[in-house]
Amino acid sequence: EPEVTQTPSHQVTQMGQEVILRCVPISNHLYFYWYRQILGQKVEFLVSFYNNEISEKSEIFDDQFSVERPDGSNFTLKIRSTKLEDSAMYFCAGLDRDWGGYTFGSGTRLTVV
Amino acid sequence: SQQGEEDPQALSIQEGENATMNCSYKTSINNLQWYRQNSGRGLVHLILIRSNEREKHSGRLRVTLDTSKKSSSLLITASRAADTASYFCATLHLEYGNKLVFGAGTILRVKS
Repeated sequence: EPEVTQTPSHQVTQMGQEVILRCVPISNHLYFYWYRQILGQKVEFLVSFYNNEISEKSEIFDDQFSVERPDGSNFTLKIRSTKLEDSAMYFCAGLDRDWGGYTFGSGTRLTVV
Repeated sequence: SQQGEEDPQALSIQEGENATMNCSYKTSINNLQWYRQNSGRGLVHLILIRSNEREKHSGRLRVTLDTSKKSSSLLITASRAADTASYFCATLHLEYGNKLVFGAGTILRVKS
């Protein structure tokens, strides 16, 4: 069964450093998403990406965040200058519009120290 | 406004019992999805029910949807210790950009 693959599974970074979280979506999905989940809290929408551009972003997704699909397969989330409050699980997902279901990756746990 | 609010927040049952979790939402939806998350792990898609469906089954899972009450329920029958996890409902609104809106989840503990 096709999977969404995320790397790394866990990243620890110093406050102020840049991090890049990577995702390989399912090839026939056209819509891609990043969500995050702060420990013990609900899963929150960050950004959606379609046709090589951002289609929607939440208020969480400020100027410190960016997304790219640099080579037509990988889908990345960059946080330019990490803050302690960026510590969370970050999930990549793709949408199959035919059945309306999402496939989520297993997540990257980001710890900012 | 928040969508996909689950209740109860936590549920503890004995193995073999049924577990019922409820979800309410506020605006019209295209579909509602239930996910499972083991502690600190990824989100596993369980079942999707469309706005024109009322009930759906998948193995030991039964989901109902009442669009007039804007609510859904997830029933896990004959629970097992391995069902211990957090369960989230999430609503999809295609006219509002395809994003899923998650509830806070129900923490289910099945005691053996």
